[in-house]
Amino acid sequence: SQTIHQWPATLVQPVGSPLSLECTVEGTSNPNLYWYRQAAGRGLQLLFYSIGIDQISSEVPQNLSASRPQDRQFILSSKKLLLSDSGFYLCAWSKQHNNEQFFGPGTRLTVL
Amino acid sequence: DAKTTQPPSMDCAEGRAANLPCNHSTISGNEYVYWYRQIHSQGPQYIIHGLKNNETNEMASLIITEDRKSSTLILPHATLRDTAVYYCIVRVYNTNAGKSTFGDGTTLTVKP
Repeated sequence: SQTIHQWPATLVQPVGSPLSLECTVEGTSNPNLYWYRQAAGRGLQLLFYSIGIDQISSEVPQNLSASRPQDRQFILSSKKLLLSDSGFYLCAWSKQHNNEQFFGPGTRLTVL
Repeated sequence: DAKTTQPPSMDCAEGRAANLPCNHSTISGNEYVYWYRQIHSQGPQYIIHGLKNNETNEMASLIITEDRKSSTLILPHATLRDTAVYYCIVRVYNTNAGKSTFGDGTTLTVKP
């Protein structure tokens, strides 16, 4: 069966510090991968999606970036965090040609 | 993608059916209706999807109107554990990059 992992579960970082959140998927190959951000009490905002290694599409301009160095690994990064980067970050995967998405447990980021 | 409209909140008595509406008046002919739910501080969970026929699985039933401009998710016997935010989204099924925009959803509160 397929599983999706995210770490860390929670993170507190100062403004201006770098960020690296990791997501890995097991039990499937060549998945579509997604990064979402959720502000408190709001819906999910799609940040990045990827249909393959090194194939990343950005949905919104921001100071975040994403990379996919391996088929089942998706990384969300920032060189300098802003206060507005605080939120709940969710990674998800889906099969190719299928829109049923499976979400990870999320990372709660607080920027102080 | 077609935009969806959902009521911000609903209450339901435990053991009764919960009927969650969703309007998607601009849905295209090849777009499916998907429902997810998010229990507090967890990643969203897929519930069900459909194109034009009513669908049922072990979690819920999905009723789509004949003109496909609206749909209703039915939880036949709501329990306290069904308290969550429910998201209705519309997406083309067979695309290689399933970008999904999740709005603010409906917060369902099941009361004893």
